Amino acid sequence: EIVLTQSPATLSLSPGETATLSCRASQSVGTSVAWYQQRPGQAPRFLMYDAVKRAADMPARFSGSGSGTDFTLTISSLEPEDFAVYYCQHRDSWPMFTFGQGTKLEV
Amino acid sequence: VQLQQWGVGLLKPSETLSLTCAVSGGPFSGFYWSWVRQSPGKGLEYIGGMLHGESATYNPSLKSRLSISIDTSKQHVSLRLSSVTAADTAVYYCARGVVVGGTYLFDYWGQGTLATVSS
Repeated sequence: EIVLTQSPATLSLSPGETATLSCRASQSVGTSVAWYQQRPGQAPRFLMYDAVKRAADMPARFSGSGSGTDFTLTISSLEPEDFAVYYCQHRDSWPMFTFGQGTKLEV
Repeated sequence: VQLQQWGVGLLKPSETLSLTCAVSGGPFSGFYWSWVRQSPGKGLEYIGGMLHGESATYNPSLKSRLSISIDTSKQHVSLRLSSVTAADTAVYYCARGVVVGGTYLFDYWGQGTLATVSS
């Protein structure tokens, strides 16, 4: 079973700053990682796929990097609406899907 | 694409949780219709899912109590979780599973349904 570990658990920044969120896999997953954003009281929203590619309509300030076991979501020039919880996800051995435990990005 | 879900929100221990998710605005076939839950203040947990024409697949930790089905004619996805306990208190989401690029992910989500188990 692949475990995804996200760090930090909480990241405190201000609008305009750059956020760097980490997701580490317990074994290599290639580039098959997705990222989601979840605002309070809302369902998760799909952000990134293949570790580095943005979903349609996602702003260019969101970028992803990494392969193998280490992945990063970077959000530059933080906007007020970016403060939320972010999750990474990978499809483990069928039929399991694994999520990281989340990073809360707070003001 | 919209996923609209509903079901009973308050249950007693040992009862059965039943939720339904209606899909509209897009195709139904060819996607992995899934359920994901989130316990209060916690992260996301994959429950199980189903492709049309194939058997449902389940998180091994819930398999003995779980049943997922789809009704293609209505474009509905249903979940039944039996013998619930307080540990099953969570927001339950239906979600559309799909391969995008090389990643199997969930691109559309329902609004979530809070199921509370309490005596």
